[in-house]
Amino acid sequence: NAGVTQTPKFQVLKTGQSMTLQCAQDMNHNSMYWYRQDPGMGLRLIYYSASEGTTDKGEVPNGYNVSRLNKREFSLRLESAAPSQTSVYFCASRTGPGEGSYEQYFGPGTRLTVT
Amino acid sequence: GDSVTQMEGPVTLSEEAFLTINCTYTATGYPSLFWYVQYPGEGLQLLLKATKADDKGSNKGFEATYRKETTSFHLEKGSVQVSDSAVYFCALSGGSQGNLIFGKGTKLSVKP
Repeated sequence: NAGVTQTPKFQVLKTGQSMTLQCAQDMNHNSMYWYRQDPGMGLRLIYYSASEGTTDKGEVPNGYNVSRLNKREFSLRLESAAPSQTSVYFCASRTGPGEGSYEQYFGPGTRLTVT
Repeated sequence: GDSVTQMEGPVTLSEEAFLTINCTYTATGYPSLFWYVQYPGEGLQLLLKATKADDKGSNKGFEATYRKETTSFHLEKGSVQVSDSAVYFCALSGGSQGNLIFGKGTKLSVKP
């Protein structure tokens, strides 16, 4: 039982390049989330998926797109990276919506630098 | 909207000192409250939680009590260890999408 896994762990991009961050969970959770963590800002929600085939914008969605490929996988795509997207990205999952505890389980993070 | 405010860090303590990290919240309804811990270079791990008023969450010697009257969920530990050095996040389940709303985090350093 690996929990939530993320790839890659580290990435350096040049401005304008694109990339996809991968996330997978093996806990049979319905809900999945993408957050970004910036110094002194806590974690902010980028996108959310309540179930396979559904996605919703969070607090800071601009410059990102997501895909909920199946129940296990939820990817985050940067189409044209900008230095402002330098951050640590976390994927998380939980049971729900509407069921169980609200606690979320987090992956180890992807540290992205855009130059 | 819902929000979490926690004490600014960094906090530096000597081993075996008493720890308090303050957390207050603003929320409509009755959220669940959480403390997460992030060790250097790692993701967030759930440390403890409380789902209703007067509940006490506890784990690994850490405790926090859900105080509705003061809208607080302060984290305490009686005797910290060097291995407790980490960033601690207070959070509530207040988001419209079931997401967690986090405080900005408090970095704790424990010196031997």
